[in-house]
Amino acid sequence: AQSVTQPDIHITVSEGASLELRCNYSYGATPYLFWYVQSPGQGLQLLLKYFSGDTLVQGIKGFEAEFKRSQSSFNLRKPSVHWSDAAEYFCAVDYRGQGNLIFGKGTKLSVKP
Amino acid sequence: NAGVTQTPKFRVLKTGQSMTLLCAQDMNHEYMYWYRQDPGMGLRLIHYSVGEGTTAKGEVPDGYNVSRLKKQNFLLGLESAAPSQTSVYFCASSYDSQPFFGQGTRLTVV
Repeated sequence: AQSVTQPDIHITVSEGASLELRCNYSYGATPYLFWYVQSPGQGLQLLLKYFSGDTLVQGIKGFEAEFKRSQSSFNLRKPSVHWSDAAEYFCAVDYRGQGNLIFGKGTKLSVKP
Repeated sequence: NAGVTQTPKFRVLKTGQSMTLLCAQDMNHEYMYWYRQDPGMGLRLIHYSVGEGTTAKGEVPDGYNVSRLKKQNFLLGLESAAPSQTSVYFCASSYDSQPFFGQGTRLTVV
């Protein structure tokens, strides 16, 4: 069965430090790829998505992600983290192109002052 | 243009009670979905619909029923609520592979 793995359950970084959140998926073909962020008690906000083309995708709030076909990965990065980035981040994959997403279990980001 | 609206936002049920969650979208999307979110589990697909009058099972369908009588509405029903159904429920609709999520319904079954 298709799956999405976010290996890090919880990450703590210092404010101003760089960030990389990992995401791997299991599938032969290239699916549609998404990153969402969720603050406590809130809904999901789309950070960025990859459907095709340039493998480096720019999103909102200064985030970017790089699709690497050879590694089946879609890692999220930010060069300098702000305290307001503390939240939970979800990687999601659409294997059928219908908007039917499979989610990773999430990575909770804490930011130290 | 309200997007995807979920009703209610919060609900507390007693074990064995029934209820229906309503998802309404005003974007004329064909595809609609119900997910549940539990701590440490991400979101998991309960049921989905590829068009008016159609429904299909997702990853965790047991204990839930759905209906899509009108294109704009997707209803999720719990016939006999159980504590294991305590969760946050998200509805989504999609167009051109782009999902749009509602704000969620927090359901507690006691």
